[in-house]
Amino acid sequence: AQTIHQWPVAEIKAVGSPLSLGCTIKGKSSPNLYWYWQATGGTLQQLFYSITVGQVESVVQLNLSASRPKDDQFILSTEKLLLSHSGFYLCAWSVGRGDTEVFFGKGTRLTVV
Amino acid sequence: GDSVTQTEGQVTVSESKSLIINCTYSTTSIAYPNLFWYVRYPGEGLQLLLKVITAGQKGSSRGFEATYNKETTSFHLQKASVQESDSAVYYCALGDRGSNYQLIWGSGTKLIIKP
Repeated sequence: AQTIHQWPVAEIKAVGSPLSLGCTIKGKSSPNLYWYWQATGGTLQQLFYSITVGQVESVVQLNLSASRPKDDQFILSTEKLLLSHSGFYLCAWSVGRGDTEVFFGKGTRLTVV
Repeated sequence: GDSVTQTEGQVTVSESKSLIINCTYSTTSIAYPNLFWYVRYPGEGLQLLLKVITAGQKGSSRGFEATYNKETTSFHLQKASVQESDSAVYYCALGDRGSNYQLIWGSGTKLIIKP
């Protein structure tokens, strides 16, 4: 069975500090990977997707970057956090495009103070 | 652009009563829309509830149903008799069968069941 593990579960960070969030997918070879963000009370927004190692496409610009260093790992980062980065970050995977089921991690709650 | 609009905020329904959560979509770029309902139960991750990829067809799961209506661009979620275990946040989403890897999401509807 496939599993998706996101870390950390929650973070409280200062404005201007760096950030690194990660997720690992086990049990599935070469999945499509996604980062989503949801502001408190807001809609889920897709930030990035990756269909292969080393290749990441940006969907929404939020002064964040993403990388896929291994087939099963997806990293979201920034060198300087803004207050507007607060929210809920979800990592996800799928085997297809916009017509297939997406499987989500449990998310990371980020509070920027 | 593309967008999804669903029943805003919170819906409270008494146990054993019927439920409808509205979802309508608008698209200028997706030739073959695929429609989804996802659900987040308390303490759990977001998961697929049901999906329909063909206009006119109905999807069903766990007693919930939704019919993809291309004429009204709608995909309302319905259940005849809700249970306390249905308390969750429900999201409608729009996907593209083509080359697009994006999903467009509604804002989510929190369902509260009154005993």
